[in-house]
Amino acid sequence: QQQVKQSPQSLIVQKGGIPIINCAYENTAFDYFPWYQQFPGKGPALLIAIRPDVSEKKEGRFTISFNKSAKQFSLHIMDSQPGDSATYFCAASMRGTGNQFYFGTGTSLTVIP
Amino acid sequence: GAVVSQHPSWVICKSGTSVKIECRSLDFQATTMFWYRQFPKQSLMLMATSNEGSKATYEQGVEKDKFLINHASLTLSTLTVTSAHPEDSSFYICSALSHGTGANEKLFFGSGTQLSVL
Repeated sequence: QQQVKQSPQSLIVQKGGIPIINCAYENTAFDYFPWYQQFPGKGPALLIAIRPDVSEKKEGRFTISFNKSAKQFSLHIMDSQPGDSATYFCAASMRGTGNQFYFGTGTSLTVIP
Repeated sequence: GAVVSQHPSWVICKSGTSVKIECRSLDFQATTMFWYRQFPKQSLMLMATSNEGSKATYEQGVEKDKFLINHASLTLSTLTVTSAHPEDSSFYICSALSHGTGANEKLFFGSGTQLSVL
């Protein structure tokens, strides 16, 4: 059972565009939602994370929007650049559960110059 | 962010040999570390959870005798692929939990190890 569902599987945008990647979850006990960026041949790197007590978080060109009632959260990349081309994973975790993180299936983003 | 060092980055070995992969948390202590396997263009597949000083917890379908995990200190976990076969060829990634004060733990990943078994 996929605890976190992620879409789209792949995404192509022009430089300067705003790609949006969406994730949905069922378990309302999740209370921490990070996003990871992974380049080929490298491990995932923590990009930005949000907790359900806020609806939006911005760090540089990356923004997470969080909709608690819909149990959805999304990553927006402002002014996307070719260097943002990577695979992005959303995840969810909850405190006190053995610390397990549940990952989405990933989105391959390509930013065309 | 916190740094997790994973070595080696890539390894080629003959079928039947064993390979050890190290995962170190460089600037924090990690009671819990995770080992993942990742196939090309796919998501992370959790193999096992490694807790310092105790036996690792393996996910269903992962052979504990084949993938030996040792977490002897708060900064080091190792994964040994024993009697490797070509089907074990994959990208292996470790991660470590950094405990925050009164907040969720953050998960940091190593750079991965590409294993090729000939």
